[in-house]
Amino acid sequence: QQQVKQSPQSLIVQKGGISIINCAYENTAFDYFPWYQQFPGKGPALLIAIRPDVSEKKEGRFTISFNKSAKQFSLHIMDSQPGDSATYFCAASGNNFNKFYFGSGTKLNVKP
Amino acid sequence: GAGVSQTPSNKVTEKGKYVELRCDPISGHTALYWYRQSLGQGPEFLIYFQGTGAADDSGLPNDRFFAVRPEGSVSTLKIQRTERGDSAVYLCASSPTAGAHTDTQYFGPGTRLTVL
Repeated sequence: QQQVKQSPQSLIVQKGGISIINCAYENTAFDYFPWYQQFPGKGPALLIAIRPDVSEKKEGRFTISFNKSAKQFSLHIMDSQPGDSATYFCAASGNNFNKFYFGSGTKLNVKP
Repeated sequence: GAGVSQTPSNKVTEKGKYVELRCDPISGHTALYWYRQSLGQGPEFLIYFQGTGAADDSGLPNDRFFAVRPEGSVSTLKIQRTERGDSAVYLCASSPTAGAHTDTQYFGPGTRLTVL
């Protein structure tokens, strides 16, 4: 059973637009939800993370929205730039787990 | 300070051969993870080391896969009798604190394994 489901698989956004990527999780014991960014040929790098005690976290142009009752969280990239073109992964974990469970990834292409 | 490094960056082998993939974590990081990433998929957990011991190897797909971390720093993932289905990018990650699984995991660039 896939623990974290991510959509869409791919996304094309114009420069300056808003990119939105969604994730849903199954296990209510998860209490840590990071987003990772991966460029071709590189390993994933932490972008932003949230815990379920808040509904939103913002860092620069990147915002996570979290809906605990719906077991969903999303990444919003404001004023998207061509340099944001990468693959984004949501993940879930917690202190009762020995691993991160990753979503299947969203390939973002920001058109200039 | 250097990040996580992995060698080789690419490995091509023939079906049935044995391979070793190496991970050098960030100095001082206690926790080390191995993941496997197939094309178009997210990283999939293989094994977690807390210091020298494998605290969780539940993600290893079968007994052809084995990993060690004898001195609590460098780790080696070993695959015996490789199969074409083992072809993937193998990622290593480290984090500062063992047992705190919400720490940031710092990933290496991965080793791309191709089994012909």
